[in-house]
Amino acid sequence: EDQVTQSPEALRLQEGESSSLNCSYTVSGLRGLFWYRQDPGKGPEFLFTLYSAGEEKEKERLKATLTKKESFLHITAPKPEDSATYLCAVHLLNSNSGYALNFGKGTSLLVTP
Amino acid sequence: NAGVTQTPKFQVLKTGQSMTLQCAQDMNHNSMYWYRQDPGMGLRLIYYSASEGTTDKGEVPNGYNVSRLNKREFSLRLESAAPSQTSVYFCASSEGVVKNEKLFFGSGTQLSVL
Repeated sequence: EDQVTQSPEALRLQEGESSSLNCSYTVSGLRGLFWYRQDPGKGPEFLFTLYSAGEEKEKERLKATLTKKESFLHITAPKPEDSATYLCAVHLLNSNSGYALNFGKGTSLLVTP
Repeated sequence: NAGVTQTPKFQVLKTGQSMTLQCAQDMNHNSMYWYRQDPGMGLRLIYYSASEGTTDKGEVPNGYNVSRLNKREFSLRLESAAPSQTSVYFCASSEGVVKNEKLFFGSGTQLSVL
């Protein structure tokens, strides 16, 4: 069973059309939830870390929020340069490997002019 | 600012061949990681090194070995490549593993095993 589920898998927006991406998680003992942006052919780039329910963080047109079971990445008035894959990851409290950053499969966002 | 540098960027291997992926970071980070990214699977942790001199298995370690050569460098070795190891490999680093420090990723190595 997937511990981190992102939806939708793909999203197409027109420039200026606001929307939200969802990341739901089923793990217990969450130590942190991360959002990354990944451009084609590049490695993921860090956006936000959220630690507790109710926490919010903003960066330009992006705003991340966290509840006990999910996180949203709100995109306000997006521009074509916001087109990318957005990855969500959770840091588990307990792991057989001692440390685990569990990534979702990502949401591919396309913003058209 | 170089950040995390991976070499090579592309590699094609035949089944059974061996190779080493190199990774170096210039941010004086303590922790380094190797992930693989496959379509529909997301990023999966292969091995990590919490600090110089230590390495630990991640979610998918079978078929791989790693070496933390020094604080800057962390290599990933495929001893006998298999088609199932066709993937994009990312190296990452962070200040540590305990305090949820963010990861900095390299630009990836695209590996094809025929």
